Amino acid sequence: QVQLKESGPGLVQPSQTLSLTCTVSGFSLSSYGVIWVRQPPGKGLEWMGVIWGNGNTNYNSALKSRLSISRDTSKSQVYLKMNSLQTEDTATYYCARVSRVYPHWFAYWGQGTLVTVSS
Amino acid sequence: EIVLTQSPTTIAASPGEKVTITCRASSSVSYMYWYQQKPGASPKPWIYDTSKLASGVPNRFSGSGSGTSYSLTINTMETEDAATYYCQQWSSTPTFGAGTKLELK
Repeated sequence: QVQLKESGPGLVQPSQTLSLTCTVSGFSLSSYGVIWVRQPPGKGLEWMGVIWGNGNTNYNSALKSRLSISRDTSKSQVYLKMNSLQTEDTATYYCARVSRVYPHWFAYWGQGTLVTVSS
Repeated sequence: EIVLTQSPTTIAASPGEKVTITCRASSSVSYMYWYQQKPGASPKPWIYDTSKLASGVPNRFSGSGSGTSYSLTINTMETEDAATYYCQQWSSTPTFGAGTKLELK
């Protein structure tokens, strides 16, 4: 079955770079888009970006200058890197896979990983 | 960027009551998607393509709408439906509504 799991450091210092990994199973990254969404504590959801099956990427314009999404299809992993972190970047970060038939719908989600930005 | 405005922000309903959550878009969108999230859990896909229920979603839920106005309706509230519901669109870039917290009265 389709599974996604986020991993990464729980704590990042201000101004540093965040690196997260989304490890997937049950599907090929060459066939489906994978997105990143974040959620600050007690707040709503923010779409960050997507890497499509063909490797193309799209980013939230508000984050574009700091954000990079890449993948390694042989490892079934998608990577998020975001630099210049500030306290407002503290959030649970989710990866999710788009639907086969409805590629604008996020049909499968990981469990999320909490990232705290603090010195 | 298309802004999605959900109303109400919070609503309390008794078991058996009908509940409607509205999502208004700042510009016309073709489809709306909905997610249910409970505390400490990931969002669950709930409604896609405006009105289609995701696998496992009870048929007391329904979705409707077009253009700039969409809604999620629960025909008869049950205790397990207490959660936060988010709408989402992807016409140019994806955006989410701020969420509607549905509480049990």
